[in-house]
Amino acid sequence: DAGVTQSPTHLIKTRGQHVTLRCSPISGHKSVSWYQQVLGQGPQFIFQYYEKEERGRGNFPDRFSARQFPNYSSELNVNALLLGDSALYLCASSFGEKLFFGSGTQLSVL
Amino acid sequence: EDQVTQSPEALRLQEGESSSLNCSYTVSGLRGLFWYRQDPGKGPEFLFTLYSAGEEKEKERLKATLTKKESFLHITAPKPEDSATYLCAVQAMSGGGADGLTFGKGTHLIIQP
Repeated sequence: DAGVTQSPTHLIKTRGQHVTLRCSPISGHKSVSWYQQVLGQGPQFIFQYYEKEERGRGNFPDRFSARQFPNYSSELNVNALLLGDSALYLCASSFGEKLFFGSGTQLSVL
Repeated sequence: EDQVTQSPEALRLQEGESSSLNCSYTVSGLRGLFWYRQDPGKGPEFLFTLYSAGEEKEKERLKATLTKKESFLHITAPKPEDSATYLCAVQAMSGGGADGLTFGKGTHLIIQP
């Protein structure tokens, strides 16, 4: 079975630009979560979606938004990029309380 | 605010040298405590979930324990392939039941042959 897949794997943007990150969950998983991991830190919770509805939101500005599609895939959008948005963005799908993470998208903002 | 503190930040051991990693936490009602392993360039890989004080779980050379204030990940006779960053996370009880995990910064473990 395929695990959680994320695209792209790497991305370089400049300040002020917009970015869209994509995630496909494990087949049968209806919940998707997004985390931001800055180098040297643990992942920080951004959003959780279940059955296409937002179920949880972390302490991130409104520049961050997400959505989940009928096939349970998800997008994370970040507007007006700042240098501090440079990080590894992780998507996780879950069945119950166990999270299965993808390998992430490494975003660099110059 | 939920908080997770892991120690030490880094640990270097010889192959076969057993040790323990610590995870101290404060949470407004613990729903679960999670241990993950993360290799460079990859996402975290699930290891254990613990739900109540006194609970223990084992997997190969790893054993996780839980008290009301902290959790320990014991590594017995480690091998070089156990080298990784080990992350601890907590999930709080909430009415909606959909809170995200609060992670610590991790312990970077190196096992030398």
